Amino acid sequence: DIQMTQTPSSMPASLGERVTISCRASQGISNYLNWYQQKPDGTIKPLIYYTSNLQSGVPSRFSGSGSGTDYSLTISSLEPEDFAMYYCQQYDSSPWTFGGGTKLELK
Amino acid sequence: QVTLKESGPGILQPSQTLSLTCTFSGFSLSTYGMGVGWIRQPSGKGLEWLANIWWDDDKYYNPSLKNRLTISKDTSNNQAFLKITNVDTADTATYYCARVELASPFDYWGQGVMVTVSS
Repeated sequence: DIQMTQTPSSMPASLGERVTISCRASQGISNYLNWYQQKPDGTIKPLIYYTSNLQSGVPSRFSGSGSGTDYSLTISSLEPEDFAMYYCQQYDSSPWTFGGGTKLELK
Repeated sequence: QVTLKESGPGILQPSQTLSLTCTFSGFSLSTYGMGVGWIRQPSGKGLEWLANIWWDDDKYYNPSLKNRLTISKDTSNNQAFLKITNVDTADTATYYCARVELASPFDYWGQGVMVTVSS
């Protein structure tokens, strides 16, 4: 199985700050990498697919990049609604696997 | 507008079979490239992919659950199903279904249904 390691596991940040969350795969995943946001009520919102493509309706302050084994999600200027959990997920090979999550907290 | 909603028993006892239903709208499982997947999340923990079923009835399972999973679909009624046999307390989780599309897997999610396994 491909292991997905997200760093950091938690991140205190301030409104308006630029933040980056990293996701490393245990082997190359050919850009087959998604990002999701999960709110405390459990609602999961897809943000980015295939490394860098924004899902419909996702604000442009979110962006994704990476290649090979290393990927990242960047939020250019944090808004109040961005404080949540974030997960990466690879779909290069079965079983599809998720990172352990990053909790973005208000500093 | 794509929507998905999970339903399940709420609580069941160890060794029983868990049956989950995903009722969706806004897409069809008879359309090329479409599928439905199941993902679960124990309270306070991360996400685990369980299984996918595709428009052509192709099925993929997470081998970590060995032979306990069965995924199926009812195309006419826009539903997908997941059965997990011989449950134990480790299967206590919120279970989500999500649309799987070839170009963009898991692009729409249900709200999740909580399942508790307890004697």
